[in-house]
This record gives sequence, structure tokens and C-alpha cells, in this order.
Amino acid sequence: IAGITQAPTSQILAAGRRMTLRCTQDMRHNAMYWYRQDLGLGLRLIHYSNTAGTTGKGEVPDGYSVSRANTDDFPLTLASAVPSQTSVYFCASSADSNQPQHFGDGTRLSIL
Amino acid sequence: GQNIDQPTEMTATEGAIVQINCTYQTSGFNGLFWYQQHAGEAPTFLSYNVLDGLEEKGRFSSFLSRSKGYSYLLLKELQMKDSASYLCAVRDGDYKLSFGAGTTVTVRA
Repeated sequence: IAGITQAPTSQILAAGRRMTLRCTQDMRHNAMYWYRQDLGLGLRLIHYSNTAGTTGKGEVPDGYSVSRANTDDFPLTLASAVPSQTSVYFCASSADSNQPQHFGDGTRLSIL
Repeated sequence: GQNIDQPTEMTATEGAIVQINCTYQTSGFNGLFWYQQHAGEAPTFLSYNVLDGLEEKGRFSSFLSRSKGYSYLLLKELQMKDSASYLCAVRDGDYKLSFGAGTTVTVRA
């Protein structure tokens, strides 16, 4: 079934640890995005990639890094997790930046 | 930065109509999206407006006025399954989406 897959579904992590959230899509979409969703704040863009090999910073990029080595994969890395990064993380993709975005099921991350 | 406002909560009765307003102030405008998000699930795309006017899609309609920085999502013939959060999102001049905090709609029998 075509779509966008995130892993893990949920994770509890000690502060200071490194963590990579995985995102894979099989729709051959050019653009991919990472958001965090916090109560009362809505979805906020962390990083994005308009095409393989390029990335850009969103609204809240500090403490996060991404890479886009190929069309399908867009991992998000927390180099040294802090409690304020506790959130639900959604990966999304779109055919290009003009098209609607399709979201993965999210990763619920708790930093203790 | 971007400023997108929508009401926090709305309650309506099954079979009724509810209108969710969204006002925005953004640096550039390249379209407005509405998404539906059920609790614990991913947002799903509902509608897209880039020109002024009304877009109708079944029980859901979305309206845009670019000069007023205003949109609304109209849900007709409400069903219990429509209980969800509705997210207004504006694509700015750099083609990035900025989301409002969402409106939680509760449908009562």
C-alpha cells in the first residue's frame, strides 16, 4: 500500500541520548517535511526538503538535523535530546511544494 | 513570522452545520489548506483554496477571501465521525506551510 511510514511509533528516551526518527515514502514525492505537534501550538515545521540532496530549515530547527540522500527517505536526528523535545513528530510528503501534503502516522517521543 | 488564528473549540449537534473561521497574516500567500485530524491520528487533507471564492466537496466547503486574510470551513449535515480537530494552514511566499493551532469540533447526538 503506497504511503508514508514512520518509525518508531513511540519512544521513551533519556536526556542527552542521540535519536533518529525514520521516515520513508513510496509515492516518489519530491518534497518531504518534518513537523512537531504540541498541545495548543499546532504543527510547527522543523526541516524540509524540496528534492533529494537539498534540505532547508523550518520554524523550529534548533537541536535537529536532517538528510535527504535519496527520494524515499528523510530521517530526523536529535543529536542530544532534551526534555523540551518531548512531542509528537509527523513526517509528511508532497509531489512538489505546490501540492497537498500527506502525513505519516507520527512518532510519539518522550524525553526524560 | 506567520500569524494564523482559529477558534480553539466548537460544539454542534448531529445533523447541524458548523462554520470554522480562520484569519491569517503571512509573508506572502500561495494557498490555504484545511486538514482534519482525529485524536491520535495523522492529519488528512480536506481542501485547498488559492483563489477567492467557495470550493465545495460533498458535505465540506471552504471559502477564501485573500483581501481580508480570511477563510472558513463549512461542515454540513454533521455526523458523529466529524468530531475531530480541523487545521487551517497557509502556504507562504516560500511555499512553506504554517498551521494554526487547530479547532476541536465536538458533535453531540
